[in-house]
Amino acid sequence: DTAVSQTPKYLVTQMGNDKSIKCEQNLGHDTMYWYKQDSKKFLKIMFSYNNKELIINETVPNRFSPKSPDKAHLNLHINSLELGDSAVYFCASSHVSGVGDEAFFGQGTRLTVV
Amino acid sequence: AQSVTQPDIHITVSEGASLELRCNYSYGATPYLFWYVQSPGQGLQLLLKYFSGDTLVQGIKGFEAEFKRSQSSFNLRKPSVHWSDAAEYFCAVGSPGSWGKLQFGAGTQVVVTP
Repeated sequence: DTAVSQTPKYLVTQMGNDKSIKCEQNLGHDTMYWYKQDSKKFLKIMFSYNNKELIINETVPNRFSPKSPDKAHLNLHINSLELGDSAVYFCASSHVSGVGDEAFFGQGTRLTVV
Repeated sequence: AQSVTQPDIHITVSEGASLELRCNYSYGATPYLFWYVQSPGQGLQLLLKYFSGDTLVQGIKGFEAEFKRSQSSFNLRKPSVHWSDAAEYFCAVGSPGSWGKLQFGAGTQVVVTP
């Protein structure tokens, strides 16, 4: 009964390719996120969707396109992959009730661009 | 703009000894404060959180944290560490109206020696 699940867990691809990472949550949350963790383990938010609407876009290159077909899913598509895109990408979800509910994180997808 | 500082990049502690991880934040009002733990190759797990009320909060795995408004700190403590506590620990800040967006500190790696 994984709460937030991401696939794949590992992704190795060549520069210039296009790839997608999928995320699903079964917690009934209304908000989902993508975070990027760089090689120094620094975590930074990329996107947030609330009820399928884009709420936060933290100046991420437009090669990155999130898509939320429904409240339980938030996928991340990356075009023309670059070496600098290598990182661990975490999906998360929360219920934004105004009381600071915590975010639940997936296991992460380690993307390696060669 | 809010920010989070974890002054210690790396801490080594003996098994059975006490542990304290420091976290300082910068925010205009009382933020929502979180501690997450990331075990090797894993996602982030919430240890504890503070929104309001009692400034000493208890979390899972025997951890506690104390919110000190005067020092803008939210330090994490454990009286006696176990080898399984070896991990990366992240302090994070959220705020009302930010749609659950979390700002993370740089993390503190904890190594536990026999």
